[in-house]
Amino acid sequence: DAGVIQSPRHEVTEMGQEVTLRCKPISGHDYLFWYRQTMMRGLELLIYFNNNVPIDDSGMPEDRFSAKMPNASFSTLKIQPSEPRDSAVYFCASSTTTKTDRVLAEAFFGQGTRLTVV
Amino acid sequence: SQQGEEDPQALSIQEGENATMNCSYKTSINNLQWYRQNSGRGLVHLILIRSNEREKHSGRLRVTLDTSKKSSSLLITASRAADTASYFCATDGGAFYSGGSNYKLTFGKGTLLTVNP
Repeated sequence: DAGVIQSPRHEVTEMGQEVTLRCKPISGHDYLFWYRQTMMRGLELLIYFNNNVPIDDSGMPEDRFSAKMPNASFSTLKIQPSEPRDSAVYFCASSTTTKTDRVLAEAFFGQGTRLTVV
Repeated sequence: SQQGEEDPQALSIQEGENATMNCSYKTSINNLQWYRQNSGRGLVHLILIRSNEREKHSGRLRVTLDTSKKSSSLLITASRAADTASYFCATDGGAFYSGGSNYKLTFGKGTLLTVNP
């Protein structure tokens, strides 16, 4: 497996434009997490899915943010309209539960998308 | 909100010395994990310790867990310049359902470790 794949790696957009970030999790993983990382706030959990269903989106900052997972191999995070304060690195991670005791196993991260909104 | 809080925020040591980083968390957990992040890259898993374990080793890494104090520590022995990175602890939110699972993986703000040659 190639690991978690995110695209694009870099995105520069103008304020007000729509931005779509993409993530392909590791095959067989049933958990998918979206994070945002900034110097000020660290690594924030935005939303996570279990078996393609959104479980907790309490970290999504505003209604401008939305995320979908139409199938087990693809997820998107959309920002519309984008603002300069959305500039950050966005990470996607996937994981699953251990076979022995069904607790969360290690998460695998993509390389991130560096978003700059000007 | 962040679940784990690491300290110190930054640590600078000489090659060969040991580095100790601490993590405190707020709610119950099933396990606690430590990750490493090199500048500009994604996080990489280092070690996982379950709530019923007190200590775990992996190579030059030693992790301890004290659930009564809701704290964990990561010790890197005989540090190398290549260990320079940010280190994060992560917790799973503690929820567990026998019929399924609902794990919320949240991270602290990390400790920036610099190992000087």
